[in-house]
Amino acid sequence: GQNIDQPTEMTATEGAIVQINCTYQTSGFNGLFWYQQHAGEAPTFLSYNVLDGLEEKGRFSSFLSRSKGYSYLLLKELQMKDSASYLCAVMDSNYQLIWGAGTKLIIKP
Amino acid sequence: GAVVSQHPSRVICKSGTSVKIECRSLDFQATTMFWYRQFPKQSLMLMATSNEGSKATYEQGVEKDKFLINHASLTLSTLTVTSAHPEDSSFYICSARDMETGDNSPLHFGNGTRLTVT
Repeated sequence: GQNIDQPTEMTATEGAIVQINCTYQTSGFNGLFWYQQHAGEAPTFLSYNVLDGLEEKGRFSSFLSRSKGYSYLLLKELQMKDSASYLCAVMDSNYQLIWGAGTKLIIKP
Repeated sequence: GAVVSQHPSRVICKSGTSVKIECRSLDFQATTMFWYRQFPKQSLMLMATSNEGSKATYEQGVEKDKFLINHASLTLSTLTVTSAHPEDSSFYICSARDMETGDNSPLHFGNGTRLTVT
């Protein structure tokens, strides 16, 4: 079956760096997405990786290794507003999105 | 950027009534829109894929007669929760992909509708 794994919850300190990991097993691969979701709100798009390597976008970076079925989202210079759930989603060979359960990130002062 | 508008943002209804939720792509066209449901502290669950001009495709376990989907144009899809019951209370989110940008482009989400059935 298809499966996305990511940690349920992580805690980090304001100003620090945190890495959220995501491993996947899917039927085919057409890219991996990271979304941010604040409580009670809809997800917002953060990043998309389809080739191996690191994609940097401001304070956020996303890494992909297709051979390992692995991605991570790296958040630098953490701010209190970064407290949210971070969703990993993989697009399979049918272009269907398979969603992880999300990682709740708690930022402490 | 691509904007998806979803209305209403919040609705409270009595058990047995029907509720319609609208999802509009404001600055792009979408042949396909997706309806998700999210229960507290859980991830998104795809309910159905709405296809413009044809029948929606429902995920296993989702009753098509209860969750009516209409995709009448390239910019509008509606979800009607018929004969709502308290267990239907949830956060419903629609999303769409710009048909000009390809199947692997990111989904753009509406702001969601929080449905409470009393």
